[in-house]
Amino acid sequence: KQEVTQIPAALSVPEGENLVLNCSFTDSAIYNFQWFRQDPGKGLTSLLLIQSSQREQTSGRLNASLDKSSGRSTLYIAASQPGDSATYLCAASTGNQFYFGTGTSLTVIP
Amino acid sequence: DGGITQSPKYLFRKEGQNVTLSCEQNLNHDAMYWYRQDPGQGLRLIYYSQIVNDFQKGDIAEGYSVSREKKESFPLTVTSAQKNPTAFYLCASSIVGYVEQYFGPGTRLTVT
Repeated sequence: KQEVTQIPAALSVPEGENLVLNCSFTDSAIYNFQWFRQDPGKGLTSLLLIQSSQREQTSGRLNASLDKSSGRSTLYIAASQPGDSATYLCAASTGNQFYFGTGTSLTVIP
Repeated sequence: DGGITQSPKYLFRKEGQNVTLSCEQNLNHDAMYWYRQDPGQGLRLIYYSQIVNDFQKGDIAEGYSVSREKKESFPLTVTSAQKNPTAFYLCASSIVGYVEQYFGPGTRLTVT
């Protein structure tokens, strides 16, 4: 069974800093990889989807990379802002199911 | 506006009662999913459906039931057999094969 781990569980950075969130998975036979943002008490908002044939995706200040051979994905956030404060979750898809990490809680301090 | 709606946002029930959570989507997605989220545990899959009138158990299906009579709707019933039903429940949908998932706003269920 696919297991997904996110490190760190919590992260606090000053505004303007660049940061990296890490996600690792145990089974490299994944179909897609997706990063989400979750605000307290809310649903998940999709940030980036990396298909299995791709190595990275970019949207604005966000860049996500995928290395299936090493079982890792990273989410890079440039020039962090207080509005980026949220929990970030990653998920690996086998095609029928998504397997989620436990999330990284990010706080950006003004 | 296309999207996924879940109702109600908050739900309170007494122990021993069944309760049904609503999930509706107008994205024309074939696949729909129910997840449970508990603090520090991430999302766990309860049930999923890839086509009308068919659904599959996820990792934690015990004590739950679903139906998929219409493409747009995938209600989840939390039965009295679910030992610890208090949680945040999230519904999602996707196009089968492309599998980028879209989520609803969630329902927080409290059972006392």
